[in-house]
Amino acid sequence: GNSVTQMEGPVTLSEEAFLTINCTYTATGYPSLFWYVQYPGEGLQLLLKATKADDKGSNKGFEATYRKETTSFHLEKGSVQVSDSAVYFCALRNSGGSNYKLTFGKGTLLTVNP
Amino acid sequence: ETGVTQTPRHLVMGMTNKKSLKCEQHLGHNAMYWYKQSAKKPLELMFVYSLEERVENNSVPSRFSPECPNSSHLFLHLHTLQPEDSALYLCASSQDTGTSSYEQYFGPGTRLTVT
Repeated sequence: GNSVTQMEGPVTLSEEAFLTINCTYTATGYPSLFWYVQYPGEGLQLLLKATKADDKGSNKGFEATYRKETTSFHLEKGSVQVSDSAVYFCALRNSGGSNYKLTFGKGTLLTVNP
Repeated sequence: ETGVTQTPRHLVMGMTNKKSLKCEQHLGHNAMYWYKQSAKKPLELMFVYSLEERVENNSVPSRFSPECPNSSHLFLHLHTLQPEDSALYLCASSQDTGTSSYEQYFGPGTRLTVT
């Protein structure tokens, strides 16, 4: 079956530090990959996505590249801000069959200090 | 109102109570979802509705009963819950379930505590 493994948190950084949150996956076929963000007291928001190998998703300074050879989709940002403090979820969705199903990782809490 | 709204935002109920969670989407979508978010666990898909028909019931106990009267509204009826059912319940919607390109939009969730 499908599974997503992301690095355990919490992650605490100072403002303007470099961020990496690792995510690896197991899936059949060719899944689409996603990063969702959950700010305190809110629901999940799609941050970025990639639908095929070597695609790079980017949004709000965050980037992630779909690496089929390493089954990874690591999230990066060059300079984090306090407002980036949130929980980040890596997820995948298969391309066929029940293709609405999202499989999520457990989430990584990021805290950015001024 | 825009996006996906959920009420109430917080709910405390005893194990013998009956309550309902409500979700409403203002996006013109045809599919709606219930997820359970527990601490230290991945999000769990509970139910999926497409055009008001249930297409997924992910081995959820019968003390959770969903209802989708139209494509804009989704309810989760709760009765005889257990303390381990305490969690954040998230509703989501998407244009459809039939293609992998449709993004799911999430509501803010209902924080449920069962005492």
